[in-house]
Amino acid sequence: DAGITQSPRYKITETGRQVTLMCHQTWSHSYMFWYRQDLGHGLRLIYYSAAADITDKGEVPDGYVVSRSKTENFPLTLESATRSQTSVYFCASSAGVEIFYEQYFGPGTRLTVT
Amino acid sequence: AQKVTQAQTEISVVEKEDVTLDCVYETRDTTYYLFWYKQPPSGELVFLIRRNSFDEQNEISGRYSWNFQKSTSSFNFTITASQVVDSAVYFCALSEANLYVGSQGNLIFGKGTKLSVKP
Repeated sequence: DAGITQSPRYKITETGRQVTLMCHQTWSHSYMFWYRQDLGHGLRLIYYSAAADITDKGEVPDGYVVSRSKTENFPLTLESATRSQTSVYFCASSAGVEIFYEQYFGPGTRLTVT
Repeated sequence: AQKVTQAQTEISVVEKEDVTLDCVYETRDTTYYLFWYKQPPSGELVFLIRRNSFDEQNEISGRYSWNFQKSTSSFNFTITASQVVDSAVYFCALSEANLYVGSQGNLIFGKGTKLSVKP
């Protein structure tokens, strides 16, 4: 199916575990992004990528790692999960060649760290 | 620094009422882009509109309209004759065209306004 997908949609993990959230888009968009959404904070950018093998930090990158070996995939890894990383995570991709084009979001992954 | 303020945390209206969601932004750039997104109860984020800083014309799309005023740094969103299906959280966002050292280089979201439309 065309679009942007995230997996898993729901995840419960324990403190200290490593967990990877997957993001896949079929549009061949250059830019991809990871956000977290928390009550009272809205959406905050974790990392973004301008193209394969090019990534950069956003507002809240600590505790997260990203990679982008292929244009269509942009996984987000929590190296050692903490309770403060309990959140809803959204992946997005951007239609244009510049960073300021509209973004299209995946359905989100609800992560709970116990 | 970039900032987007949506002062209205929650709004409740009765169906068929008109409602305006406020958005005020701050930016140091002369070229920037403003967006509105809708997040219905199902949770996905839906793109509604993008405007650039050089285009101050108001935009209308069906029951939706947007009023962009650079003089007051505002980009307000009005829903005319609201419907229950309009119930959602609405986010205003800002993106600057240039990336600065330390810039987040991306969409800066407001904290959202939760709109409840009652039948």
